[in-house]
Amino acid sequence: GNSVTQMEGPVTLSEEAFLTINCTYTATGYPSLFWYVQYPGEGLQLLLKATKADDKGSNKGFEATYRKETTSFHLEKGSVQVSDSAVYFCALSGIGGTALIFGKGTTLSVSS
Amino acid sequence: GAVVSQHPSRVICKSGTSVKIECRSLDFQATTMFWYRQFPKKSLMLMATSNEGSKATYEQGVEKDKFLINHASLTLSTLTVTSAHPEDSSFYICSAEVGNQPQHFGDGTRLSIL
Repeated sequence: GNSVTQMEGPVTLSEEAFLTINCTYTATGYPSLFWYVQYPGEGLQLLLKATKADDKGSNKGFEATYRKETTSFHLEKGSVQVSDSAVYFCALSGIGGTALIFGKGTTLSVSS
Repeated sequence: GAVVSQHPSRVICKSGTSVKIECRSLDFQATTMFWYRQFPKKSLMLMATSNEGSKATYEQGVEKDKFLINHASLTLSTLTVTSAHPEDSSFYICSAEVGNQPQHFGDGTRLSIL
């Protein structure tokens, strides 16, 4: 079945550091891929998405590229801020259905 | 942008009571709503998929009689946790979608059963 694997956290960075959170997936066909962010005590917000191979999703300085050859969708940001501290979830949506399958989440903590 | 409202945001109640959580799409008619459960420091687990006017589709291992889902309109779905017990304490999150657009999530409900 479909699944998502993302790197274990927590990830602790200093402000302005470079961020990478790895995400790989297993799926049949061509799923859509997403990154969601969850701030403390809140629900999930869509951060970015990509619907086909080689698409690059971007938002708020975050980027992720849909790599079919490596089945990956790594999240990157060139310079993190304290306000980026949150839990980040990689997710996929398969063909014929739109229920999301989430990775376990990666906690990011950015200090000033 | 699209907004999903979930209510209440937090509820504390005694063991044995039933709790109803509402999920509303405020500015669009949702074709499908989803209910997720999130354990502390864990990922979201899909509980059920709900379409307006039809019975919800539950994921394996989710008790239908325990978690009652009603989807009476295109803008409202409710989850009722019946005869709640401490092990039902969790963070419940709903989401709604229209067409092939990404799901929009509510802010979640933290349920604590004493």
